[in-house]
Amino acid sequence: EVQLVESGGGLVQPGGSLRLSCAASGFTISSYWMHWVRQAPGKGLVWVSRINGDGSSTNYADSVKGRFTISRDYAKNTLYMQMNSLRAEDTAVYYCARSVGRGVSFDYWGQGTLVTVSS
Amino acid sequence: QSVLTQPPSVSAAPGQKVTISCSGSSSNIGNYVSWYQQLPGTAPKLLIYDNNKRPSGIPDRFSGSKSDTSATLGITGLQTGDEADYYCGTWDNSLSAGMFGGGTKLTVL
Repeated sequence: EVQLVESGGGLVQPGGSLRLSCAASGFTISSYWMHWVRQAPGKGLVWVSRINGDGSSTNYADSVKGRFTISRDYAKNTLYMQMNSLRAEDTAVYYCARSVGRGVSFDYWGQGTLVTVSS
Repeated sequence: QSVLTQPPSVSAAPGQKVTISCSGSSSNIGNYVSWYQQLPGTAPKLLIYDNNKRPSGIPDRFSGSKSDTSATLGITGLQTGDEADYYCGTWDNSLSAGMFGGGTKLTVL
């Protein structure tokens, strides 16, 4: 059974850092593009970042470029998002998701982890 | 402000049909479009991928179509359990970024 389990969210002050993890089971992350998507409280879905199977290609939303870094550990079958210089507008539930198909379609999602940036 | 435009809300009676539109440009809708259902407090669920394909387990009440710069999600035989937020998603070649529509809240009256 495919599962994605996020962890690492919490309360952090503006300007602080946080690292999110997404542990995958039931499949090998090296075979898929993996993504982070976020959702601010009461708002819509926003794509954040993606990384390809071998980690050689990454993309970021303009709003996080230069502050967030996506990576993966094949031995642990885990996806990460290092978030630096956090701002109040980064407050959201962060989901990791696997993409399939010929487009960017997310067939499995984690349960999400809440990041709150506040003083 | 999302690059992909969806109506904020739609409504219909049980048993009826509803369509939800997703408008964009050739740089995004020109790629493959997917649709998601999000029930309150839960992660999104994939309903349609590659414009019109349904994952295993998704009933054929849900359908997807696409024209040049617009995609449409259709839901027939509406049920109260279909009340949720619906999002379209795709890749934008110009921005080299993933995109979601702003979401549409479906109310089954």
